[in-house]
Amino acid sequence: GAVVSQHPSWVICKSGTSVKIECRSLDFQATTMFWYRQFPKQSLMLMATSNEGSKATYEQGVEKDKFLINHASLTLSTLTVTSAHPEDSSFYICSATPSGAYNEQFFGPGTRLTVL
Amino acid sequence: QKEVEQDPGPLSVPEGAIVSLNCTYSNSAFQYFMWYRQYSRKGPELLMYTYSSGNKEDGRFTAQVDKSSKYISLFIRDSQPSDSATYLCAKSAQGGSEKLVFGKGMKLTVNP
Repeated sequence: GAVVSQHPSWVICKSGTSVKIECRSLDFQATTMFWYRQFPKQSLMLMATSNEGSKATYEQGVEKDKFLINHASLTLSTLTVTSAHPEDSSFYICSATPSGAYNEQFFGPGTRLTVL
Repeated sequence: QKEVEQDPGPLSVPEGAIVSLNCTYSNSAFQYFMWYRQYSRKGPELLMYTYSSGNKEDGRFTAQVDKSSKYISLFIRDSQPSDSATYLCAKSAQGGSEKLVFGKGMKLTVNP
């Protein structure tokens, strides 16, 4: 149980286009989902916290107008990278916390974004 | 100073060796500590979770936390080639289901 999926697993796009990444909790409801970014040989850095039905909370230095997050249901959160540029190329990973008393968040397999 | 410092390695050991992975942290507000394992191009998976000083054992894995020195460790006994992965330490102020701060990750290779 506690499976989180991401789609797509990899995407290549041209500079200036927008890319949407989906994060789904497959067998549980997730009140909270997190979006992380991981550059090569670097650690995961939290970008934003997404709560179902409310606006996402962004970490310092993350542009909310560039990284649009929508958490419309208890099983789906989306991250849209708007007007992507090569410096946005990274590994984007989401995680989801089951509703209720859990001390764990479950990570998706990640999405590799390459902006040409 | 980064909140979580972790030597990124890489570390290469022979099969059967005891592996020691370490992290230090600077903010005493963080009370929950985790070790994650990440295979290449995959998301992290939780290995160990602890919120108190001392040792916690799970099979071949032992997590150790020393809050007085702000030092956390993961020991792997009888290491196997399948243990080859990147190991990340993480901490949280409010629990494993809340916002996590990760170390840089240590890439471990266990050679058969």
